[in-house]
Amino acid sequence: QQQVKQSPQSLIVQKGGISIINCAYENTAFDYFPWYQQFPGKGPALLIAIRPDVSEKKEGRFTISFNKSAKQFSLHIMDSQPGDSATYFCAASRRAELIFGQGTTLQVKP
Amino acid sequence: EAQVTQNPRYLITVTGKKLTVTCSQNMNHEYMSWYRQDPGLGLRQIYYSMNVEVTDKGDVPEGYKVSRKEKRNFPLILESPSPNQTSLYFCASSLSGGQGAAQPQHFGDGTRLSIL
Repeated sequence: QQQVKQSPQSLIVQKGGISIINCAYENTAFDYFPWYQQFPGKGPALLIAIRPDVSEKKEGRFTISFNKSAKQFSLHIMDSQPGDSATYFCAASRRAELIFGQGTTLQVKP
Repeated sequence: EAQVTQNPRYLITVTGKKLTVTCSQNMNHEYMSWYRQDPGLGLRQIYYSMNVEVTDKGDVPEGYKVSRKEKRNFPLILESPSPNQTSLYFCASSLSGGQGAAQPQHFGDGTRLSIL
């Protein structure tokens, strides 16, 4: 049973384009929603995170949009760059538990 | 340099041979956690620890043990490894557990285990 569902599995975007990754969750008890970025051979690194009382959070080119009623949240990467090519994971947290989505492999073509 | 260190980075072993993957953090973090990463499944939490001597099961604890005798160390123990435990394992730490802080800020670079 996947409590956090992420799509798409893979994504190819041209340089300068917008990358959008979507996640949906089931458990309304989740109270924190982070996104992680992972490069090959490395552990995931926290990219940006949001709490459910906020509908949007922006940090540089990265924006999280959060829809509490639909139990969905998404990551937007504006002006995507080849250096953004990585695997992205959404996650949902409840107390000390952290549930990850399946991951999205993003390739940004020059 | 703030870091989470895992050892070994790679290990090939056989079914039933006990193994331990060590994890150490130098940030005085209270919260530590273990995950396994499998293709198409993302990362799944195995065990976590809110502080010394306080551990709890995550999503997929079967076949694993942990201990937290010191704040900096959180070893993962596979007492009788089986092929379905072949995976990429990550240790992580965070300043504290609780709302917003349960998301680990620092991950190690992973340990790839192959169990034949």
